[in-house]
Amino acid sequence: QSALTQPASVSGSPGQSITISCTGTSSDVGGYNYVSWYQQHPGKAPKLLIYDVSKRPSGVSTRFSGSKSGNTASLTISGLQADDEADYYCSSHTSSGTLDVFGTGTKVTVL
Amino acid sequence: EVQLEESGGGLIQPGGSLRLSCAASGFTVSSNYMSWVRQAPGKGLEWVSVIYSGGRTFYGDSVKGRFTISRDNFRNTLYLQMNNLRVEDTAVYYCVRSIVAAFYFDYWGQGTLVTVSS
Repeated sequence: QSALTQPASVSGSPGQSITISCTGTSSDVGGYNYVSWYQQHPGKAPKLLIYDVSKRPSGVSTRFSGSKSGNTASLTISGLQADDEADYYCSSHTSSGTLDVFGTGTKVTVL
Repeated sequence: EVQLEESGGGLIQPGGSLRLSCAASGFTVSSNYMSWVRQAPGKGLEWVSVIYSGGRTFYGDSVKGRFTISRDNFRNTLYLQMNNLRVEDTAVYYCVRSIVAAFYFDYWGQGTLVTVSS
């Protein structure tokens, strides 16, 4: 099972909006509404941001939103803030034997 | 408050064995799906294994046949027995919770580092 494809890096200025893509196949992203997104600051454990494509857990800022079209899911961060500088990973349930697959990860830089 | 605390990591030679533990509090391990996710130094996340509330287990291709996930319901603890370790198993191992029938990871431990090196 190959990792889902994410851009290696995305950057933006404070206050701007950025979008991170996550491309898979019909066996994972395209086949299920089970895409989730995680934020990881250096040296820290990942934190759940989005689940089931577009749902936010309690306590997660409304500046984070998720969507999906076909085999590609997206995470949008609006009103970019300095603390948003981190690594972001998507994940999807998959029909392959591995059950869950993560994306390659995207480093977000706030200029 | 949900908490997950991993232990058992360390330096081990190739071919050796190690058992990781994850002590849970604030919820019942056996009533949830529990997974191990690892992250090699400077690399991305990799799902390793899951044990469902009913006891079924699944493994990633890279660890199948070498790793065994289990739990102790009395101690409310999750385990990962790792045998025949390889250099490429070097990673931080996270203990992670999912609620039943959910395909996302809502709580993560802080991780324990496993280094496989001669």
